[in-house]
Amino acid sequence: QVQLQQSGPGLVKPSETLSLTCVVSGSSITSGYYWGWIRQPPGKGLEWIGSVSGSSGSTYYNPSLKSRVSISLDTSKKQFSLKLTSVTAADTALYYCARGGYTYVYGSWGQGTLVTVSS
Amino acid sequence: QSALTQPPSASGSPGQSVTISCTGTSSDVGAYGYVSWYQQHPDKAPKLMIFDVTKRPSGVPDRFSGSKSGNTASLTVSGLQAEDEADYYCSSYAGSNNPVVFGGGTKLTVL
Repeated sequence: QVQLQQSGPGLVKPSETLSLTCVVSGSSITSGYYWGWIRQPPGKGLEWIGSVSGSSGSTYYNPSLKSRVSISLDTSKKQFSLKLTSVTAADTALYYCARGGYTYVYGSWGQGTLVTVSS
Repeated sequence: QSALTQPPSASGSPGQSVTISCTGTSSDVGAYGYVSWYQQHPDKAPKLMIFDVTKRPSGVPDRFSGSKSGNTASLTVSGLQAEDEADYYCSSYAGSNNPVVFGGGTKLTVL
């Protein structure tokens, strides 16, 4: 049973970089899965941020966030990370990490991390 | 504004069936057989209920079923139970330049 444990600061200042990490247990991180990030602003719907392929390391990003997003894989630590630069209040959301069989479908999710952008 | 359009709410009585629609375009829902549905209870992470339009992950009751016609996908919940009350989100593959688009979500109320 795969488990995804998220960590990272819950408060980020405007214009700074949001950084979150997701530690994977119960699954190989280098197998044919995709490791993704999805966010949900308070009271709103889901937005896909991007993903990384565990087998190739290729990354895929939401075009609306592509200029500010970076997702990376650390196979030695069995974790993957999200960096979102130049954040504004509009980036305030509950951020989820997730595992998918493909980049477009996610069957296992982390617990979520609420990130507030405020000075 | 979400890429896929869902009704904001739906409802049904216990035992009844309810269908939630998800309308996209010929670039996403209509182009690919890769529509997924997620259930989200309050303060919980989303749970995958349907993938590839009609497939159910292991453990999802067969009361949940999916279909697609043209640019519109649908999730049907049969034999409604109180625990089915939740938000439901559809998503679709939309091509290599924008792989994943979500709907705005539908709040399902069991009366």
